Amino acid sequence: DIQMTQSPSSLSASVGDRVTITCRASQTIVRHLNWYQQTPGKAPKVLIYAASTLQSGVPSRFSGSGSGTDFTLTISSLQPEDFTTYYCQQTYSTPKTFGQGTKVEIK
Amino acid sequence: QVRLVQSGSEVKKPGASVKVSCKASGYTFTTYGISWVRQAPGQGLEWMGWISAHNGNTAYAQNLQGRVTMSRDTSTSTAYLELRSLRSDDTAVYYCAREAEFGGVVVLFYWGQGTLVTVSS
Repeated sequence: DIQMTQSPSSLSASVGDRVTITCRASQTIVRHLNWYQQTPGKAPKVLIYAASTLQSGVPSRFSGSGSGTDFTLTISSLQPEDFTTYYCQQTYSTPKTFGQGTKVEIK
Repeated sequence: QVRLVQSGSEVKKPGASVKVSCKASGYTFTTYGISWVRQAPGQGLEWMGWISAHNGNTAYAQNLQGRVTMSRDTSTSTAYLELRSLRSDDTAVYYCAREAEFGGVVVLFYWGQGTLVTVSS
């Protein structure tokens, strides 16, 4: 099974800050890496797929990069609605494992 | 528009079984696979498995093998998740999610609203 190590597990930041979340796969997943945002009580929502493609309707302050085993999600300027939880997921092979999640909190 | 509507909350005793449904609309059901994902209270997302809506092929997470069955009914565009021998640590919100593929990369694009399953004596 491919293990996904997401870090940090939580971070504190202020509105306007630039934030980076990383996801490392235990073996290459090429670019089969997706990022989801989940607000409390709601289902996850796709932000970025195939490592760097921004889902339609997602603000351009979100970006993704990486390939192989190392990936990043960057929020260029945090907005109040961005303080929530983010997950990476690899879909290169089954089981399609998720990272442990990163909770972005207000400093 | 694509919609996945799941069945309502369930309360079960340890050792019992639960079957959650996920009714799809807004697309041709047999074209896309469906994954099931669960989230225990305050915890992260756990991928449980996948079913091809086209031919019923399945793939399950190893830790659930033997207790889980995913099925589908193409006549009603509904996917099902059955989990048996329930334990307290199966208490979670269970989501179905429809896959999409972009350039060969699978994405869980559309999600149901979630079904809370509580296992308690």
